[in-house]
Amino acid sequence: DVKVTQSSRYLVKRTGEKVFLECVQDMDHENMFWYRQDPGLGLRLIYFSYDVKMKEKGDIPEGYSVSREKKERFSLILESASTNQTSMYLCASSADWGWEQYFGPGTRLTVT
Amino acid sequence: RKEVEQDPGPFNVPEGATVAFNCTYSNSASQSFFWYRQDCRKEPKLLMSVYSSGNEDGRFTAQLNRASQYISLLIRDSKLSDSATYLCVVNGIQGAQKLVFGQGTRLTINP
Repeated sequence: DVKVTQSSRYLVKRTGEKVFLECVQDMDHENMFWYRQDPGLGLRLIYFSYDVKMKEKGDIPEGYSVSREKKERFSLILESASTNQTSMYLCASSADWGWEQYFGPGTRLTVT
Repeated sequence: RKEVEQDPGPFNVPEGATVAFNCTYSNSASQSFFWYRQDCRKEPKLLMSVYSSGNEDGRFTAQLNRASQYISLLIRDSKLSDSATYLCVVNGIQGAQKLVFGQGTRLTINP
């Protein structure tokens, strides 16, 4: 079974703080993704990575950066958290392009 | 036009009923199609891939109509545990590396 884990289920941060969200997958997948999910807006892609140290912007990259130093680990960084970044953050991985993605349990981030 | 469109519902059906969802997509070059299931406050989970010839997994049947650019999901003999949001997923306009998720159709099965 594919397993994708995320570092925290719930996180509360203050405006202006730097926030790190970690994601680890154990299936040697090439591709990893970060999404946010908000009511009425569905899943939106923030960034994705197709190889170590490689990254591509998704649909809403503003205010975020990512890091992929090892194949199994993909980090999402909020450089200076703002209240409009309060959301559910979901990490996913897939073995190849266009293949099914497997999701971690999500991190519910609240920025106050 | 949205890349993937679904009827948001909610669909409320009695246990044992048959329910069907449709989803339309805008990219005629799309090659990958999936249905995901998402329970409240949980992550999306793959329900089934959708193949050109149509495919079935127990009570669930998925169909693809490339000419009309829609996919469908049929659930027969619905169970209370089928209550969830069902997401239609297609690979996007900008390339196969990205999947585009529909906003989901909410289904509630009533006893």
